[in-house]
Amino acid sequence: NAGVTQTPKFRVLKTGQSMTLLCAQDMNHEYMYWYRQDPGMGLRLIHYSVGEGTTAKGEVPDGYNVSRLKKQNFLLGLESAAPSQTSVYFCASSWGLASSYEQYFGPGTRLTVT
Amino acid sequence: KQEVTQIPAALSVPEGENLVLNCSFTDSAIYNLQWFRQDPGKGLTSLLLIQSSQREQTSGRLNASLDKSSGRSTLYIAASQPGDSATYLCAAKETSGSRLTFGEGTQLTVNP
Repeated sequence: NAGVTQTPKFRVLKTGQSMTLLCAQDMNHEYMYWYRQDPGMGLRLIHYSVGEGTTAKGEVPDGYNVSRLKKQNFLLGLESAAPSQTSVYFCASSWGLASSYEQYFGPGTRLTVT
Repeated sequence: KQEVTQIPAALSVPEGENLVLNCSFTDSAIYNLQWFRQDPGKGLTSLLLIQSSQREQTSGRLNASLDKSSGRSTLYIAASQPGDSATYLCAAKETSGSRLTFGEGTQLTVNP
């Protein structure tokens, strides 16, 4: 099993450009999440999905959109990138909400917006 | 709003020492608490998960405890090794949804 994979690993964007980050998991998990990690801020939840075709806002959703067209994939889109979106983005997945279910994380995407 | 704090922010110890990392949370209504390890430039690796009904979990040299009433969790690392050097993060899962609230982590350095 590959677990949770993310593409790309690195990306540099100019202000105003758009891009899509792809997350894929092969564990048949229902729940998927997008986080961003910034120095001094820890990891913060951007959006999440509780199943195919569903999405929900997290703590810091502004400037991002997501889609979950297939159970195994969760896409994070930036329509008009801003320097404040420079961060490391992590995708995670889990079976569900039960207290015994861990979240499994991908390796991250390092995004720089100039 | 749940807040998770980890103290100290950084810790440096000699190899072989037993050590404790601390995690505190403000809202005791948690579903579980998860400890992660993060190596530089890498993703998060889950180490231990303690359900709200449990008091501790053990894996090898690691032992994590949970005291909901005081809003605290500790990660005990026995006989530390240089390979344990990493940032350790704790995260509390709220009962009202699927969100994990993370602390900022403790950066551990184990010196040979």
